Amino acid sequence: GAVVSQHPSWVICKSGTSVKIECRSLDFQATTMFWYRQFPKQSLMLMATSNEGSKATYEQGVEKDKFLINHASLTLSTLTVTSAHPEDSSFYICSAREDVGLFGYTFGSGTRLTVV
Amino acid sequence: QKEVEQDPGPLSVPEGAIVSLNCTYSNSAFQYFMWYRQYSRKGPELLMYTYSSGNKEDGRFTAQVDKSSKYISLFIRDSQPSDSATYLCAMRHNNDMRFGAGTRLTVKP
Repeated sequence: GAVVSQHPSWVICKSGTSVKIECRSLDFQATTMFWYRQFPKQSLMLMATSNEGSKATYEQGVEKDKFLINHASLTLSTLTVTSAHPEDSSFYICSAREDVGLFGYTFGSGTRLTVV
Repeated sequence: QKEVEQDPGPLSVPEGAIVSLNCTYSNSAFQYFMWYRQYSRKGPELLMYTYSSGNKEDGRFTAQVDKSSKYISLFIRDSQPSDSATYLCAMRHNNDMRFGAGTRLTVKP
């Protein structure tokens, strides 16, 4: 089945630094990838939708200058949290959709970001 | 009113019990209905999906969709401790996918 690899699985960074999270579709091409944020015991909140070769579409309330998304190829999307602050600490998850086939999306394993 | 409502639980059952998980939704445009299972600190994994109304069975799992009532269910028969996880319902219309809050399930040996 479809596999999405997300890296790193966890990261600790200092306040004010930037962190990049990678999301790769391993055995399929994903024209569309999604980035979610999940706080403890809460559901997934869609942050942005990224389409290969074009600008990402951000959900209301998500700062596009803070959460930079690059979908440079059909198998790779990156999320960069710029000038991270402790309130950015969260679980970030990406997902990808094949052009055809699955009704649902395949998720990465998530990245736990802790900003100290 | 949230677009997708799901009781977060927690739900605790003894091993072997039948588990019933449910979601309601308000957007009648949703066409695809999914259930995801999420273990602690892991990404969700697709468990079952259905299109439109009806039932779908896969082993111990049965998914039901009632579009007229805007109500979906997931039944787990002969529940096992390994089923302990958070179960999220999800529904989709085109690229618009919405998730329930997730129900934390614990199956006690």
